[in-house]
Amino acid sequence: EADIYQTPRYLVIGTGKKITLECSQTMGHDKMYWYQQDPGMELHLIHYSYGVNSTEKGDLSSESTVSRIRTEHFPLTLESARPSHTSQYLCASRGAGDSYEQYFGPGTRLTVT
Amino acid sequence: DQQVKQNSPSLSVQEGRISILNCDYTNSMFDYFLWYKKYPAEGPTFLISISSIKDKNEDGRFTVFLNKSAKHLSLHIVPSQPGDSAVYFCAAWNGGATNKLIFGTGTLLAVQP
Repeated sequence: EADIYQTPRYLVIGTGKKITLECSQTMGHDKMYWYQQDPGMELHLIHYSYGVNSTEKGDLSSESTVSRIRTEHFPLTLESARPSHTSQYLCASRGAGDSYEQYFGPGTRLTVT
Repeated sequence: DQQVKQNSPSLSVQEGRISILNCDYTNSMFDYFLWYKKYPAEGPTFLISISSIKDKNEDGRFTVFLNKSAKHLSLHIVPSQPGDSAVYFCAAWNGGATNKLIFGTGTLLAVQP
């Protein structure tokens, strides 16, 4: 059973606000990922990390930033939210070894008005 | 350019019958494939996977078939149950080049009682 948590689950916020989406996992996984997904669309990788103090941008351009100060914690921050940021944000993690499976959190549904 | 394609946005089947979800890919370097199931407002959950060195993998009611020459894989669910109603994502591992999962756009499966 995967233990990966995201808060908040739902967030409605006004344009221009700064927000941080939290993601934590208790599995000790070194690799963590942030995806953005809209209905009927594929999951787009926006950030990933292979360990503490390691962060990389993904394939989809994003105005968000991430940090990885602790293994278990991978928060995503939007400095100034815009309506175009409205989407579902999914956090995932993967352990070491040959398993390619990523474990996903429940997601945060963000609406920017 | 979409490297993993799920050309059927939706599929409806009767309870007890077989569900067949299809996925095509373009990159012959993909070496591992996964299927995820996603309910609304939840994160994807891993279902079944297959290595490129195999052509079939079975787990209970779920079987994945891989046809490398056609760059095609399919997920068979038999018998289908109403609880199987969800969006199914096909994903391919591009470990050799980018070490990332590439997702399709998903197929919404509706199993009618």
